Amino acid sequence: GAGVSQTPSNKVTEKGKYVELRCDPISGHTALYWYRQSLGQGPEFLIYFQGTGAADDSGLPNDRFFAVRPEGSVSTLKIQRTERGDSAVYLCASSRGTSGETQYFGPGTRLLVL
Amino acid sequence: GENVEQHPSTLSVQEGDSAVIKCTYSDSASNYFPWYKQELGKRPQLIIDIRSNVGEKKDQRIAVTLNKTAKHFSLHITETQPEDSAVYFCAATKGSGYSTLTFGKGTMLLVSP
Repeated sequence: GAGVSQTPSNKVTEKGKYVELRCDPISGHTALYWYRQSLGQGPEFLIYFQGTGAADDSGLPNDRFFAVRPEGSVSTLKIQRTERGDSAVYLCASSRGTSGETQYFGPGTRLLVL
Repeated sequence: GENVEQHPSTLSVQEGDSAVIKCTYSDSASNYFPWYKQELGKRPQLIIDIRSNVGEKKDQRIAVTLNKTAKHFSLHITETQPEDSAVYFCAATKGSGYSTLTFGKGTMLLVSP
């Protein structure tokens, strides 16, 4: 079946602009995760959803970052007033549940803030 | 919070040799430890994982060992092949929740023919 998909694959924006990044999880996966990966680093946890609710948002760096998953499937990561330091690859992952289930990653959205 | 240290940052081996990558974690409540392989420009893919109630797990040429007392786990790849060349990440759960993962900084493995 289809894997996790993310759009856009690349996004270039200017400092101060607003961006939205979309994630389509594997069908039937109830858990969805957002990570950020900077060059030469491992993925850094941002937030995870169990169904529609954010079960853990402790990784969001500040209040410019927000994520939603209104129907328990597609999720959108929203970044306000982007800064150059927000440039990174934003990865989404999904899993069937949360009891040590494999997290399957999407291809990522490469965000560049000029 | 959880802290995961990974060593070495780069590892070069000859085809057919073994490779070992080591990780330590700080949260004694961590209970799930996956390893991911990431090829250049690609998404991370799970290659093996281990839960805290198991000391060792093998899958063909890949094995993972876990020492809960020392809070240490390792990835072992035997009979390495050029296609094993990639960046490998270890991860550990934050607490016992099985969900939120903290990743190491990665090991770039280069296997020379």
